[in-house]
Amino acid sequence: NAGVTQTPKFRVLKTGQSMTLLCAQDMNHEYMYWYRQDPGMGLRLIHYSVGEGTTAKGEVPDGYNVSRLKKQNFLLGLESAAPSQTSVYFCASGQGKENTEAFFGQGTRLTVV
Amino acid sequence: DQQVKQNSPSLSVQEGRISILNCDYTNSMFDYFLWYKKYPAEGPTFLISISSIKDKNEDGRFTVFLNKSAKHLSLHIVPSQPGDSAVYFCAASGEPGSARQLTFGSGTQLTVLP
Repeated sequence: NAGVTQTPKFRVLKTGQSMTLLCAQDMNHEYMYWYRQDPGMGLRLIHYSVGEGTTAKGEVPDGYNVSRLKKQNFLLGLESAAPSQTSVYFCASGQGKENTEAFFGQGTRLTVV
Repeated sequence: DQQVKQNSPSLSVQEGRISILNCDYTNSMFDYFLWYKKYPAEGPTFLISISSIKDKNEDGRFTVFLNKSAKHLSLHIVPSQPGDSAVYFCAASGEPGSARQLTFGSGTQLTVLP
């Protein structure tokens, strides 16, 4: 049971570089989410998708872009990384129905120097 | 402004005793509340949840209580075990028109002492 898989697990970027974080789920979930977690704060929603081909902004979307070309994949892009984007990123997926939980990946630890 | 608050960053409890983790929320539109457990270098894992139409939900050693009038929920772990040591996040969902995304508290680090 793979569940939600994130790639890569760790990455160090220089300021101004770009990268893409990949999230893959094998539970046939319609809804997918990207969160970031910073010290002393809970997880905050960056972007989300309610189905293939759809994306929407969350609480902290600035500096990030996303794409959902296939139902099972949700990509998070950083076009020009900044030190403020140093964080742990979590992808999640869910059915999007009432009274159901979301399932999380193991996280990507990103450091921007 | 934080819509979900966990005011205790940390909690230490003796093995075998009860652990009580608290959570407050401000958005009365939330209709589903969840607790997630997180170990270092892992993603959050779902622990237990409660719908707003209930005031209690129990699953083994874990019980969640919801007080809607006070906008307060709590997680009770009885008896506490060393393996329960982790960060516990309270989360809520259900704003109308939302995509059931979760709004999280800042977490409570639970340490169960042997």
